[in-house]
Amino acid sequence: DVKVTQSSRYLVKRTGEKVFLECVQDMDHENMFWYRQDPGLGLRLIYFSYDVKMKEKGDIPEGYSVSREKKERFSLILESASTNQTSMYLCASKVPGTGVVNEQFFGPGTRLTVL
Amino acid sequence: AQRVTQPEKLLSVFKGAPVELKCNYSYSGSPELFWYVQYSRQRLQLLLRHISRESIKGFTADLNKGETSFHLKKPFAQEEDSAMYYCALSAMDSSYKLIFGSGTRLLVRP
Repeated sequence: DVKVTQSSRYLVKRTGEKVFLECVQDMDHENMFWYRQDPGLGLRLIYFSYDVKMKEKGDIPEGYSVSREKKERFSLILESASTNQTSMYLCASKVPGTGVVNEQFFGPGTRLTVL
Repeated sequence: AQRVTQPEKLLSVFKGAPVELKCNYSYSGSPELFWYVQYSRQRLQLLLRHISRESIKGFTADLNKGETSFHLKKPFAQEEDSAMYYCALSAMDSSYKLIFGSGTRLLVRP
């Protein structure tokens, strides 16, 4: 059973703070993703990673960066948090490939509030 | 442009009524389509995918390439079906990233 965990369920930060969101998966998946989930907008991809030390920008990378030093861990960094980054952040992982292996497994989410 | 459209933000039906959640997509090529579901206070999870052509929890979805649609259907809704449903399209490049629709909240009333 794939397990994707996120370091915090709820987080409250102040404008300008540096924020780290951590995601860990235990199934040796190469691909990992960070999304933000907003009402009426669905899920939007922030960054993804093919493998260790490899990362690519998603659709809304501005204001974010990521780190993938170990295969199981994918961190999302808000360099200087702003109120418009208040959102639910979801991490996901999968093995590469299409067809029956093409399923993303999601973490429980981190609800971030920036004051 | 790659896009997934779910025109309904909210769909409210009575228990036992048929349900159809609409999904249209725009993609150049042959995509893989999915329905993901998020029940209250639970994580997002895969409900079904078009390549499997299976019924999960009574739900089915048929890929119509001519109409570029992948509507989710269930003949008799149950209260436990109340959830947020997302239609998603998988990019067929090496990223395998998902492009999500905006979601439809299904509310099944007793």
